[in-house]
Amino acid sequence: GDSVTQTEGQVTVSESKSLIINCTYSATSIGYPNLFWYVRYPGEGLQLLLKVITAGQKGSSRGFEATYNKEATSFHLQKASVQESDSAVYYCALSGSSGNKLIFGIGTLLSVKP
Amino acid sequence: DAGVTQTPRHEVAEKGQTIILKCEPVSGHNDLFWYRQTKIQGLELLSYFRSKSLMEDGGAFKDRFKAEMLNSSFSTLKIQPTEPKDSAVYLCASSDRANTGQLYFGEGSKLTVL
Repeated sequence: GDSVTQTEGQVTVSESKSLIINCTYSATSIGYPNLFWYVRYPGEGLQLLLKVITAGQKGSSRGFEATYNKEATSFHLQKASVQESDSAVYYCALSGSSGNKLIFGIGTLLSVKP
Repeated sequence: DAGVTQTPRHEVAEKGQTIILKCEPVSGHNDLFWYRQTKIQGLELLSYFRSKSLMEDGGAFKDRFKAEMLNSSFSTLKIQPTEPKDSAVYLCASSDRANTGQLYFGEGSKLTVL
């Protein structure tokens, strides 16, 4: 079936350091999925951070970037310099091209130390 | 515009009880989703409606979980009978028909089953 695997558990990074949260996917029934990163900040609802629907393209938002790598079936989330306000739970997700149904990874809790 | 509204925010139930969670999607959205969120499984899709028609009913959840859309602006998720393993956060999300994959989530209903 279709699935998303991402860095599990908690990632702790010091402020101003770089970050990478790994995400790989399997899309056997979808073929060429759309890829997303969602984020849940403390006290807020889950919200879209960025999306990419074309292989080879890069999406960016709030200093975060992710590149759709079809060969490696990956969509890693990166940021060059994290801030304390980036502390949140991050979810990688995919969908088919013909619908809004999302399949999510398990979520990664990012904790940024001052 | 109002976002997705979920009630109650917190629910405590005894094993065997029936509970009903409610969701009001963003006005004008045609797609509505119910997800269950746990630390072990992440986000699991329970139900997916498009224009009030049930498009997908999560196979593993069919026996005790029933989602309905009474009209385009209101949905319920009934769990009957509840079990301790149902303790989780239940998220409702909505989206428009543009198939962008951008879902708007409510803040969730946290269910604890004793």
